[in-house]
Amino acid sequence: DIQMTQSPSTLSASVGDRVTITCRASQSISRWLAWYQQKPGKAPKLLIYKASSLESGVPLRFSGSGSGTEFTLTISSLQPDDFATYYCQQYKSYSRTFGQGTKVEIK
Amino acid sequence: QVQLVQSGAEVKKPGASVKVSCEASRDTFRDYYIHWVRQAPGQGLEWMGWISPNSGDTNYAQNFQGRVTMTREMSVRTFYMELTWLKSDDTAVYYCARETYDILTGRQAGYYFYGMDVWGQGTTVIVSS
Repeated sequence: DIQMTQSPSTLSASVGDRVTITCRASQSISRWLAWYQQKPGKAPKLLIYKASSLESGVPLRFSGSGSGTEFTLTISSLQPDDFATYYCQQYKSYSRTFGQGTKVEIK
Repeated sequence: QVQLVQSGAEVKKPGASVKVSCEASRDTFRDYYIHWVRQAPGQGLEWMGWISPNSGDTNYAQNFQGRVTMTREMSVRTFYMELTWLKSDDTAVYYCARETYDILTGRQAGYYFYGMDVWGQGTTVIVSS
C-alpha cells in the first residue's frame, strides 16, 4: 500500500500568513493527489485534485504543486475561515490513502 | 448538484453488524465511484473501499477485507456499506463520497479521476457493550 505522510501535524499561524503543508508519498504517485479541508463536525471538502487543479468554487488563495513523491498545499494569505484540518490523499492505485492530517490553528 | 444523504446514527454491541446507506439525490450523468471513508473520534480519515455503480465491482482496503461489503441498488440510487464483527474501535463517523472520472483513450489511455467532490453528512456508529 502507498503510505502518505504529512508535515507538520499542527501549524500555528495568523490571519494573512502564507501557509505551506507538505505531503510525501512512499512511492511515486505521478500527480494523482487531492487535498481536502475538514472543519469539526463536518464532512471533508475537496480543494484540489490532480495535484494542482483547483476545485470549482475554491478560493484562489489555495494552490497545490508537486509530482512524484512530494507535494505541497499553499494558502497564500490565511483567512479566518481557513482554520481547519487539511488532508492529502493519493489515488494512483486502485486503493486510496489519506495522510494523517495537518491542523491549522490560530497563533 | 448531487447530494448524498446517509442513514441515521447506530448503536451496536461488539460482534454485531451494521449497514449504513447512502442515497444520491439525483442521477450523476458521469462515470463515478462511491467511496466509504471513516473517522474515529479525534482521528484522521481512513479509506475503506469503493464500489462502481455501473458494474457493482468493489475494491476494499486490506484492513477491512473479510469484514466489509459494499453494495448498491441503482433503482433507488442507494449505496450500502455493511461492516460485520464490530469491535469498539469501529466506533466512528462513516462517510460516503462520490468520485467522478473520465476514461481516456489513445496515447493517454486510462482513468482521469477528479477527487471526492460530494460527501454524505456522515453516520455515527457507536460500538459499545
